[in-house]
Amino acid sequence: EDQVTQSPEALRLQEGESSSLNCSYTVSGLRGLFWYRQDPGKGPEFLFTLYSAGEEKEKERLKATLTKKESFLHITAPKPEDSATYLCAVQEAGGTSYGKLTFGQGTILTVHP
Amino acid sequence: GAVVSQHPSRVICKSGTSVKIECRSLDFQATTMFWYRQFPKQSLMLMATSNEGSKATYEQGVEKDKFLINHASLTLSTLTVTSAHPEDSSFYICSVSYGRSTYEQYFGPGTRLTVT
Repeated sequence: EDQVTQSPEALRLQEGESSSLNCSYTVSGLRGLFWYRQDPGKGPEFLFTLYSAGEEKEKERLKATLTKKESFLHITAPKPEDSATYLCAVQEAGGTSYGKLTFGQGTILTVHP
Repeated sequence: GAVVSQHPSRVICKSGTSVKIECRSLDFQATTMFWYRQFPKQSLMLMATSNEGSKATYEQGVEKDKFLINHASLTLSTLTVTSAHPEDSSFYICSVSYGRSTYEQYFGPGTRLTVT
């Protein structure tokens, strides 16, 4: 069974204080690893897809990286508007449930001005 | 990314009644639609996967007779919660996928269901 563990559960940063969120995963064969941002009371917003170890993607202050066991979401010089819950999910290659995403519990990021 | 809508955004119903939630893909034809449930301070749990014109595939532990899914077209899927009970109160979110060479899922804004 696919497993996704995110750490820390919550992270409080000062504006401009860079940090990283971790996503550890166990999957028999990885089709893709996804990062989403979720604001309270809203659906997840797609950020990145990573397909193979060594791959990196960037968007504004966010950079996602992938190894065979984990992914990191690096946040450089965060702003208060980056405050949200960040969700990591994996999609298994093949499998009986096509396209199924298995989510981690998320990291609640709060950036103080 | 895709634009996905859900209706209603919030609904309150009495125990024993049924509620229908619509999920629409507004700018692309979705080959597959997914329904998730999210309890407070918890992550998303997949309930079922539906492909246009075929029966939905439900995850283990999800009652297919209670959560009826209809995927009538490539742009519309509906989830009906039948004989709702307070424990069905949750945040229901749909997502769409276009298959092809990418596997991203794009999520709707969610529907908050409260059963009294």
